[in-house]
Amino acid sequence: DTGVSQDPRHKITKRGQNVTFRCDPISEHNRLYWYRQTLGQGPEFLTYFQNEAQLEKSRLLSDRFSAERPKGSFSTLEIQRTEQGDSAMYLCASSLGSGSYNEQFFGPGTRLTVL
Amino acid sequence: AQKVTQAQTEISVVEKEDVTLDCVYETRDTTYYLFWYKQPPSGELVFLIRRNSFDEQNEISGRYSWNFQKSTSSFNFTITASQVVDSAVYFCALTLNTGNQFYFGTGTSLTVIP
Repeated sequence: DTGVSQDPRHKITKRGQNVTFRCDPISEHNRLYWYRQTLGQGPEFLTYFQNEAQLEKSRLLSDRFSAERPKGSFSTLEIQRTEQGDSAMYLCASSLGSGSYNEQFFGPGTRLTVL
Repeated sequence: AQKVTQAQTEISVVEKEDVTLDCVYETRDTTYYLFWYKQPPSGELVFLIRRNSFDEQNEISGRYSWNFQKSTSSFNFTITASQVVDSAVYFCALTLNTGNQFYFGTGTSLTVIP
């Protein structure tokens, strides 16, 4: 399968714990995006990378959130000291090119539940 | 600020009926792109179409058609002769030529009843 993959698919954690999610984009795609989706809502932009550089972060991305894409390939999203409000589906998408107008290919998401 | 509104939260139709999903957008930019994505129960968003702000031609792809009207800031999506497999949540999204993110609507959940 050559699509975007995310791991894990589901994560249940206790409040206050740290969690890390991984996204593997389509191999030649230079842009990688993270979104958060809550029930009944559309995906909300969190951050994006152009190769290894993190070029934009949403105000939704508090200090407890950090994302990396160390070699311009896979990316990780870490949430420290999780809160119940962090429960959501975290989506990763990738695209090829330098503009936001390019089609984004989405992964299946990681569903986080914070107890 | 950019905004996408999908006023229809849920729609149910009987199989073979036609259905139109509405999308209204707001932006002050003159160059922008509009998208429709489908999110089936499996959860993975699937790209359906992209239009740029300078191309108001309607498009048809099989049972799917899209009506883009800049005068009303709308980009509506019609499914003809709906099928059970069309049951999903459909999202309209906007991105700017100068920006780097998608602005998604809240989605319309379509249920096609056999």
